[in-house]
Amino acid sequence: DIQMTQSPSSLSASVGDRVTITCRASQGISSWLAWYQQKPGKAPKALVYAASSLQGGVPLRFSGSGSGTDFTLTINSLQPEDFATYYCQQYKSFPFTFGGGTKVEIK
Amino acid sequence: EVHLLESGGGLVQPGASLRLSCAVSGFTFGSYSMTWVRQAPGKGLEWVSEISGGGDYTYYADSVKGRFTLSRDNPKNTLYLQMNSLRAEDTALYYCAKRYCSGGVCHHFDHWGQGTLVTVSS
Repeated sequence: DIQMTQSPSSLSASVGDRVTITCRASQGISSWLAWYQQKPGKAPKALVYAASSLQGGVPLRFSGSGSGTDFTLTINSLQPEDFATYYCQQYKSFPFTFGGGTKVEIK
Repeated sequence: EVHLLESGGGLVQPGASLRLSCAVSGFTFGSYSMTWVRQAPGKGLEWVSEISGGGDYTYYADSVKGRFTLSRDNPKNTLYLQMNSLRAEDTALYYCAKRYCSGGVCHHFDHWGQGTLVTVSS
């Protein structure tokens, strides 16, 4: 199975900050990677797929990059509604696997 | 507009069975692979199972293989997850999700339901 490791597991940031979350795959997954945002009590929401393609309706301050084993999700100018938990997920091969999550909290 | 609505969750004893359903609308159900993802209380996301659009292919996490069976009824726009021999570690919120496919290539889960809670406890 492909293991997905996210870092950090949590971070504190202020509104307006630039935030970067990393995700590392235990083996190469090309660009078969997605990012999701989850707020408390809500279902996950897709942000990015194919490592860098933005899901429709997602604000342009979100961006994804990387390929192979190392990926990043960047949030430019963090907004109040961005405080949430973020997950990466590989879909190169079954079983699909998620990273452990990164909780973005208000500083 | 795409809608996914899960149902069938509840409190059951270890060893019991439960069938979850996911009723969908707003897209051509039979054209898309569908998946179940679960989330134990306070924990992260865990992929559980996926089924192809025509129902020909199914895939399972090792943690549920041999106990869970995923199926679909395309004319009824409904996905089913039959869960047998339930264990305490199966306690979770179960989400159904639609796979995004474009140009013959399938990617992530672009639409999710709100989830149905399964609690396995004596």
